[in-house]
Parts: sequence; C-alpha cells; structure tokens
Amino acid sequence: QKEVEQDPGPLSVPEGAIVSLNCTYSNSAFQYFMWYRQYSRKGPELLMYTYSSGNKEDGRFTAQVDKSSKYISLFIRDSQPSDSATYLCAMRTYSGAGSYQLTFGKGTKLSVIP
Amino acid sequence: DVKVTQSSRYLVKRTGEKVFLECVQDMDHENMFWYRQDPGLGLRLIYFSYDVKMKEKGDIPEGYSVSREKKERFSLILESASTNQTSMYLCASSLGDRRGSNYGYTFGSGTRLTVV
Repeated sequence: QKEVEQDPGPLSVPEGAIVSLNCTYSNSAFQYFMWYRQYSRKGPELLMYTYSSGNKEDGRFTAQVDKSSKYISLFIRDSQPSDSATYLCAMRTYSGAGSYQLTFGKGTKLSVIP
Repeated sequence: DVKVTQSSRYLVKRTGEKVFLECVQDMDHENMFWYRQDPGLGLRLIYFSYDVKMKEKGDIPEGYSVSREKKERFSLILESASTNQTSMYLCASSLGDRRGSNYGYTFGSGTRLTVV
C-alpha cells in the first residue's frame, strides 16, 4: 500500500462549482499537510498548509485534515477556469537525516469549464 | 520574490551523452532536491542534499549522480543518457529544520528533457 493515495482524475467541473480534492494516507508519523498547485509546464507551487486536524481557509480555498481517519481534503468554492491545474497533496515527516521530507500524492488534474 | 532557477526549460540530448541539469536557489535554503515527474507516476525523488557537499539517494537514483559544491547550487548529472530518462525534471529547495518554517518546498519551473 502506498503511503499517500490520491485519485488522479481527471476531474472536469463547470465554472462556479464546488470542487473537492482528497488524499488518504497510511503513515501516522505525517505532521504537516500541504496542497500544491501545478499549472501545465510549470513547477508545483505551495497553495496551503496545515498542521492540526480541522479546517483552514484562504479565500476560496479550504484545507481540511482528519487525522483520525488519515484523510485530507481541499475544497475550492466558486471554481474558476484559472483553477484548472493539477493539485498535489503532500505530507511531511522526519527523514532521520537531520531534516524533513515531503511525500507527495500523484496529483489530481482539474479542469474548470467556462 | 524567492526563486529556484533551473538552467534550461527544454533540452534534447542523444543516447549516451553526459547531461548536466543545473539548479540555483537564492533563498539561502539548506535542503535541495531533484525529482522527475512522469504521467501516472507522479513525483519521484532522485537525490537530495541537506548541506554543501552532502548527498543522499532518493527512491530512484540509478543512472544519476549529483553535485553540491555551493549552498545555492545543486546539479543533477545523467552519466550516460538513455531514452527511459526522458522526463520532466524538477528541482526544489527548503529551509532546514533548525530555522523553523512550514518546511514546504519551493520548486523550479522544471526542465523537460528528451533523450533521442
């Protein structure tokens, strides 16, 4: 079983829809939980991060973490065509080499249709 | 604005060539990483470095080597390029654990390498 599972999609929604992107994980040692957005032919960029269980909002984006279920979600309200990208979840754990590493999901490709 | 700069956006090389991919960050980050990204496989870690002259193997180091002679620069070397190394290569950097942060990575824009 992979440490981080993420549905690759693709996911296609009409403009204005609420989008839900999800990841599950198996490693209880994961601490920080992050979402990255990657536009076509670009590198991923950090969108949101959270440490504890619960919700964190930033504009139209809400990150949700449920540590008891080992499940994280990213919600996008009022989705826009500019939200069309691949979204990767990432989770941080201590690497044992004096620092930390991120484990990434494979990404979900989202298209928002005007 | 913080930046991770990869020297080439697109690169075409011949089988057997020695290929150098360069990455420079201007954020005084301790940690640097090299990933490759392929459809259906996601990001796969090739090598990483927590300090100058230090390197650690990632999940798929075979056929690659790295060099970190200066804190800001991390080079990926394909000793003898093969067609199965055709991929998008992404460099990333992050702060070390002593300096406190969310420990997210900052990525470069990527180098799309084609080996023919």
